[in-house]
Amino acid sequence: GNSVTQMEGPVTLSEEAFLTINCTYTATGYPSLFWYVQYPGEGLQLLLKATKADDKGSNKGFEATYRKETTSFHLEKGSVQVSDSAVYFCALSPHFLTGNQFYFGTGTSLTVIP
Amino acid sequence: DADVTQTPRNRITKTGKRIMLECSQTKGHDRMYWYRQDPGLGLRLIYYSFDVKDINKGEISDGYSVSRQAQAKFSLSLESAIPNQTALYFCATSDRQEPQETQYFGPGTRLLVL
Repeated sequence: GNSVTQMEGPVTLSEEAFLTINCTYTATGYPSLFWYVQYPGEGLQLLLKATKADDKGSNKGFEATYRKETTSFHLEKGSVQVSDSAVYFCALSPHFLTGNQFYFGTGTSLTVIP
Repeated sequence: DADVTQTPRNRITKTGKRIMLECSQTKGHDRMYWYRQDPGLGLRLIYYSFDVKDINKGEISDGYSVSRQAQAKFSLSLESAIPNQTALYFCATSDRQEPQETQYFGPGTRLLVL
């Protein structure tokens, strides 16, 4: 089946620290992988995505590389800012031949302190 | 204007009452979804619709019903609300024309059932 597992939070970092949020997945076929971000009081926004193995998604200084060999899609940022405080969700969209539903991880809360 | 809107944004109701949450989109997407978000559980899919005549149950459909009135509108109903349906509800849309179905979210409806 399809599922996403991401590291539990909450994560608290100082401004300019390095961020890694781990995400691993189980899927049949060749899924696409996503990171969504939810700022306080708002809905989910797409942060980045990757549609095939070895692709790197990037946006706003965040990066994640689709690693098929380790079934992982870890989110990284070299220097976090207070404005990055949010909840981050890893998600999977199966290949259209193997499923239609979207699968989300449980979310990781990040707080960045000045 | 937002592409995906939800009304109401906040709602307080009593046990046993029937309520409806509404979602509208201007993105022209075929596919629409309803999720609920609970702390520590991430997002769980309630119902999804791939077009006006295609409605499918998600992971947690019991106690909920939906109506796809038009391509742009997808409503979620709680026939007889109960306290454990207190949650944050999100509507989302996607376009099957996109290579790998990115989902776009509304701002959410916060529901409290007393």
